[in-house]
Amino acid sequence: GQQVMQIPQYQHVQEGEDFTTYCNSSTTLSNIQWYKQRPGGHPVFLIQLVKSGEVKKQKRLTFQFGEAKKNSSLHITATQTTDVGTYFCAGPRSNDYKLSFGAGTTVTVRA
Amino acid sequence: DTEVTQTPKHLVMGMTNKKSLKCEQHMGHRAMYWYKQKAKKPPELMFVYSYEKLSINESVPSRFSPECPNSSLLNLHLHALQPEDSALYLCASSQEGQGGNYGYTFGSGTRLTVV
Repeated sequence: GQQVMQIPQYQHVQEGEDFTTYCNSSTTLSNIQWYKQRPGGHPVFLIQLVKSGEVKKQKRLTFQFGEAKKNSSLHITATQTTDVGTYFCAGPRSNDYKLSFGAGTTVTVRA
Repeated sequence: DTEVTQTPKHLVMGMTNKKSLKCEQHMGHRAMYWYKQKAKKPPELMFVYSYEKLSINESVPSRFSPECPNSSLLNLHLHALQPEDSALYLCASSQEGQGGNYGYTFGSGTRLTVV
């Protein structure tokens, strides 16, 4: 079945710096979703992208959906300690449209 | 109410015990899910209920038994579990529709330890 691949697995960031995490699918996705899970917490829905080439911003977070709808990225500017956690992308499976999660990018921040 | 409530938050059970995990939502979502998450791994889908009917069972062992008493409640009955079943069990809900075009709302999970 369709899988979403996510890189990098770990991201160690100096406070104030920017970073990007990437998500790739072997098949075209109807949409892609991003979730954040804080340490000891549960996944929290951040955003959904539906249109080819779509770009959405939430404060310091910028989400992009590729033109071919096979890849997506999350860019965080001026990283803060509150950004610590694991960011998952998730796309609907081609057979039943239920979410398949990427492996996640775990972000740690050096003050 | 925009939450999914799970109880208990923590559970320790022996391999011969029977226990149940509970999940409740009042957002009118007609799709409800059970996920299992091991440490440093993404959530793995176990079961999906759509309009109170079991629509997906991801080949989960029969020692896990889901139940959906009504549109707001979801249970997961546990029996004769193994230590490797220790994990965070997450309940989620979403609107139901074509194409999976709805975000999921997750509960805070039950952290299960099997001894």
